[in-house]
Formats: sequence, structure tokens, C-alpha cells
Amino acid sequence: DAMVIQNPRYQVTQFGKPVTLSCSQTLNHNVMYWYQQKSSQAPKLLFHYYDKDFNNEADTPDNFQSRRPNTSFCFLDIRSPGLGDAAMYLCATSKSGSVGFEQFFGPGTRLTVL
Amino acid sequence: TQLLEQSPQFLSIQEGENLTVYCNSSSVFSSLQWYRQEPGEGPVLLVTVVTGGEVKKLKRLTFQFGDARKDSSLHITAAQPGDTGLYLCAGAQGAQKLVFGQGTRLTINP
Repeated sequence: DAMVIQNPRYQVTQFGKPVTLSCSQTLNHNVMYWYQQKSSQAPKLLFHYYDKDFNNEADTPDNFQSRRPNTSFCFLDIRSPGLGDAAMYLCATSKSGSVGFEQFFGPGTRLTVL
Repeated sequence: TQLLEQSPQFLSIQEGENLTVYCNSSSVFSSLQWYRQEPGEGPVLLVTVVTGGEVKKLKRLTFQFGDARKDSSLHITAAQPGDTGLYLCAGAQGAQKLVFGQGTRLTINP
């Protein structure tokens, strides 16, 4: 089945220690997104890639970076995690030109910062 | 910035009851999606509505898009414990981004 895969599902890091979260997709969608979601809140968009073009949200901290080496993979780098960065991180994909602009989400990575 | 307001934010009912969740905005959306999210998992797409006045049914779930494409509702008939979760509505904002409502935390008690 075509899907969005996130690894790891759970990540524990120390305060200030860089961490990388990964996302891969078999849907062949050209748009990929990273969201941050805190407890019982709506997902908050951090940035997205439209093909190779990177689009950062204005309020995304500089601490968050992303890489998309190819169509299938996308990475979220947190350079110096703080306690406030503990959250669920969701990767999503969509296909440009689709009628409904649907996004398809991965299962998420739960990040804990000690 | 377009905003979506969901209500209620929390709802706890008994198995077998009916319920409706609302998603409202002052802005027009080209499409609107409903997602259900279970604890520790990502949101799962339930439905997309595109046309004003459109009604879609998914088993016991009925989704409606307002005539002016500014609002939507989700109605669940004879709720079951498996319906428990966080329900999110999201409207298409521009070509590639979604704006999410705050979510409705639904609990169905056996």
C-alpha cells in the first residue's frame, strides 16, 4: 500500500543535542510538509517543499531546518532542541493539482526532550 | 489569514447517541477536509468536500459543505466507542496549504 512512513516513531534527545527526524513516502507526491503538534492541539505547519522549492512559515524558529534530497524523502533537523520543542512531529504529502488539496499524514514521531 | 473555528472543542456522549460537530469560517474555502486522529497517531483523512452544498456519507458519518463554502458539519449517527478521537477540519488555503480548526475531542462512552 502507498503510504507515508516516519522514523523513528519515538525519539528521546537531550536538551541542546541535535536530532533528525525522517519521512519517506511511496505516494509519489510532489509536495511534502512538516507539522508540529502539541497535546490536543491542531497541527502547526513548520514548512513545506513544493518539488524542490522550500517554503518556510514566517513563525518557524531558525532552530528548525529541513532537507529533501529526493522526491521520496524529507528530513526535519532540530539543531538545538529545547524543552518547548517536545511534541509530535507529523510529515504529510500532497499532489499538486489535486481537486481537493488533500494531505496524507504519516503516523508521526513523538519527540521527548530531557 | 483564514481561520476555522470548530465547535464543540470537547464532547463526551454515550454509545448510541447522535452528535454533530461544526466547522465555521468567515472565509471561503475551495475545499475542506475532515480528519480523525487517534492518540499517538497521525490524522487520517475521512473525506474531502469541494462543492457548495455537497453532502457525503461514510457509513454512519455524514459530512456537509455549506452552500457558500464557508462552513461544514460532521454528523455521526449511533456513535460507537470506535468513533472516539480528535476530529479536525481543514480548509485549503491557497494552492498547497491547509488551515486547521482547533479540533473536537470526542469521547464515546460504552
